[in-house]
Amino acid sequence: KAGVTQTPRYLIKTRGQQVTLSCSPISGHRSVSWYQQTPGQGLQFLFEYFSETQRNKGNFPGRFSGRQFSNSRSEMNVSTLELGDSALYLCASSPGQRLNTEAFFGQGTRLTVV
Amino acid sequence: KQEVTQIPAALSVPEGENLVLNCSFTDSAIYNLQWFRQDPGKGLTSLLLIQSSQREQTSGRLNASLDKSSGRSTLYIAASQPGDSATYLCAVRQGTYKYIFGTGTRLKVLA
Repeated sequence: KAGVTQTPRYLIKTRGQQVTLSCSPISGHRSVSWYQQTPGQGLQFLFEYFSETQRNKGNFPGRFSGRQFSNSRSEMNVSTLELGDSALYLCASSPGQRLNTEAFFGQGTRLTVV
Repeated sequence: KQEVTQIPAALSVPEGENLVLNCSFTDSAIYNLQWFRQDPGKGLTSLLLIQSSQREQTSGRLNASLDKSSGRSTLYIAASQPGDSATYLCAVRQGTYKYIFGTGTRLKVLA
């Protein structure tokens, strides 16, 4: 069974640009969550999608957005990039119907903003 | 507001030693607690999931316990090996579809 796939693995962008990251969950999983990991703040929740609907959102500015497609694949977009957006972005997949299910993470996308 | 703390922040032990990593949380109203491992620059690998109604879970050399009333979980690693070197993270899930993570324990097992 394939795991969670995130693409691309690495990205370098310039301040002011925008970026789109992609996440393909485990087959059959309908919930996709996104997290940002930085040395200073640790792992912070961005948002979670289930069946194309955003169920929960973290405390990030509106420059961070996401969506989920009918095949459960998800994308997150960051507009007007800032240096502080440099981070490892992780995607998690779970069946999603209940709160007590296990989450599985991808390898992440390393975003560097210069 | 839920806060998750992991102590110690870093740990260095000789190979073969048994060790315990600690995770504490401030709000006992959780659905589950999950332990993860993270290698440098990589994603998270799920180690053990403990439901709120469970006291412990075991997988190979790993054993995780949960004491919800006191807001504590421990991850016990038996007979540590250099390949166990990584950062270990605990995370709790409450009444929302998100995990709240601890800051991690960076483990180094010396050969």
